[in-house]
Amino acid sequence: DTEVTQTPKHLVMGMTNKKSLKCEQHMGHRAMYWYKQKAKKPPELMFVYSYEKLSINESVPSRFSPECPNSSLLNLHLHALQPEDSALYLCASSQDADSFYEQYFGPGTRLTVT
Amino acid sequence: AQKVTQAQTEISVVEKEDVTLDCVYETRDTTYYLFWYKQPPSGELVFLIRRNSFDEQNEISGRYSWNFQKSTSSFNFTITASQVVDSAVYFCALSEARETGNQFYFGTGTSLTVIP
Repeated sequence: DTEVTQTPKHLVMGMTNKKSLKCEQHMGHRAMYWYKQKAKKPPELMFVYSYEKLSINESVPSRFSPECPNSSLLNLHLHALQPEDSALYLCASSQDADSFYEQYFGPGTRLTVT
Repeated sequence: AQKVTQAQTEISVVEKEDVTLDCVYETRDTTYYLFWYKQPPSGELVFLIRRNSFDEQNEISGRYSWNFQKSTSSFNFTITASQVVDSAVYFCALSEARETGNQFYFGTGTSLTVIP
């Protein structure tokens, strides 16, 4: 099973709202990732968790707050977002972050900030 | 500088035609990996292939084949007898080792449309 699930599929939120994106994998992977993808662009890496610890933060604004409650779950907490944050948010996982394993992606959450 | 270049932004072919998607990469590492992903309109990136820098054998999987040439730093992807379901954006990616963990670099993608 190479499935990564993400909820919700779609999210519309105002600039003052607080919401969370959720990601789950049951492949025993020890690395999990958040990416942001704008239309007609490649995914941009936001965060990497390795063995449940944040290992990479690609200078993401603090209005995005990641959390890894356990090895299977990854959350992205959103607060005070801007309209330009509207994008497809993709979660991915791989066996670990230090080898060259492929990443498996979830279906994404389409976020619209109004 | 762009580490992975996919010069073809959009390609349209008629069903059953063969099509090759180009990928050129740049790295100074001797150990690295290359990947291809497919992103259909639904949005999910689907892993297609992983290839290490020491294995230049071409790979074939059904209608898909990949040609890896280190001499030209290219990792091209060919779809034989294309089908409408092949319509998607295809991303080539490079993975290099870094102190903070392996870094994944995506190309800008090639949007393939297969016309019935």
